[in-house]
Formats: sequence, C-alpha cells, structure tokens
Amino acid sequence: DTGVSQDPRHKITKRGQNVTFRCDPISEHNRLYWYRQTLGQGPEFLTYFQNEAQLEKSRLLSDRFSAERPKGSFSTLEIQRTEQGDSAMYLCASSLVYSLGRPTNEKLFFGSGTQLSVL
Amino acid sequence: SQQGEEDPQALSIQEGENATMNCSYKTSINNLQWYRQNSGRGLVHLILIRSNEREKHSGRLRVTLDTSKKSSSLLITASRAADTASYFCATDEETSYDKVIFGPGTSLSVIP
Repeated sequence: DTGVSQDPRHKITKRGQNVTFRCDPISEHNRLYWYRQTLGQGPEFLTYFQNEAQLEKSRLLSDRFSAERPKGSFSTLEIQRTEQGDSAMYLCASSLVYSLGRPTNEKLFFGSGTQLSVL
Repeated sequence: SQQGEEDPQALSIQEGENATMNCSYKTSINNLQWYRQNSGRGLVHLILIRSNEREKHSGRLRVTLDTSKKSSSLLITASRAADTASYFCATDEETSYDKVIFGPGTSLSVIP
C-alpha cells in the first residue's frame, strides 16, 4: 500500500493525558499537512511541512499541540494535557510540490485519519 | 482559518438531476481544488483548476473558476445515489508557502 497511512485509527484517552499520532506520507511527497475535522465541518488547518521544515502553525492552535517531521518522511502530532474540546478526527495529507520558480501545489492525498475521543 | 465558503451548506436532489455547488474565497490563489468525503471516510481529490483556467471537465464533473469574483462552482451532471457525500473546495493562498485550506463544505444527498 503506497497511500498515506495514519496510526492509530482510533484513540480514546482521559482528559489531561498526552497523545501522539503518526502519519506516513507517500514516499516521494515533500509536503505534509495536518488538519483537524469535527462532525459537519471542513478540515481545519493545523500545520504543514515542506520536507523537514515546519512552514506554519495555525494561530488558533495552543502550545499544547506540537508536530515534527524529523527526517522529512513520517510526521508526528502530539497533544499534551488533552481537553475534551480536542476530540476530533485528525487528518494527515501529503502532496508533491514542484518548485519551478515558485511552489505549486498539486493534489493532496489524505490518510484515513485518527479519531480522538477525550473522556 | 478557512478560506473558502461553500454554498449551499446542504443540497438534496433526485437521482438524474444536476447538482451545483458554489465556493467563494478571499485571497488571491494559485489553484482551487474540489474534494469529496463520504461519511466517516477520508477526503478524495476530484479536480484541480489553476488560476489561469476558467473551466475544467472530468467525467460528470464540471468546474468553473472566476478569479475576478473569487468564486468557483462544481457541477455534477446526471447525479447518482453514490454521489451522496460532502464536497469541499480548497484553495492555496498565494503566499510564499501556498498552504491549502478548506471551506466548510456542502452536504449533498441524492435520493434514488
């Protein structure tokens, strides 16, 4: 399977616990995104990477959220001291961005997501 | 933050009818994409239209882009029950890094 994979698929945790999610993008893709989605809403941008560099983190994201992509391949998203409001589907997507003078996005490939429930 | 706004929020049509969804955005873009999401599933890319294009077709899909009005439309012709899903437009802001952000989506129900 050469698609985007996310692990785990489901995570149930108690409020105050830390959780970490992993995303393995398509191997040749240099851009990786994290989004959060709640029922009936569109994906909300969290952060994204170009290779190993984190380009931007959403201003709406608290300091409890951190993401890494240490070798420009897989990425992890950690949430510290989880709150009930963190319950959502966390989506990862990857793409190949061509740099012909300026970056040009191509289509995103999404994983199946990690469903987080904070009790 | 969300860039695009889809209209309508929900749409219900009979099988065989055409479905039209609209998307408006705020900033200059390089391209606009449409994605589909079945209930409980991940998003699947449908079509991408670049800022210098005005119309694009893919099977039963037709997308238009009007950069002067900062708007796009997605037309699904001869709809099928299997087209029932949520549809999202996504734009990449014309900034130095071109992040892709999504609108709130249109929920389409196609009644057999």
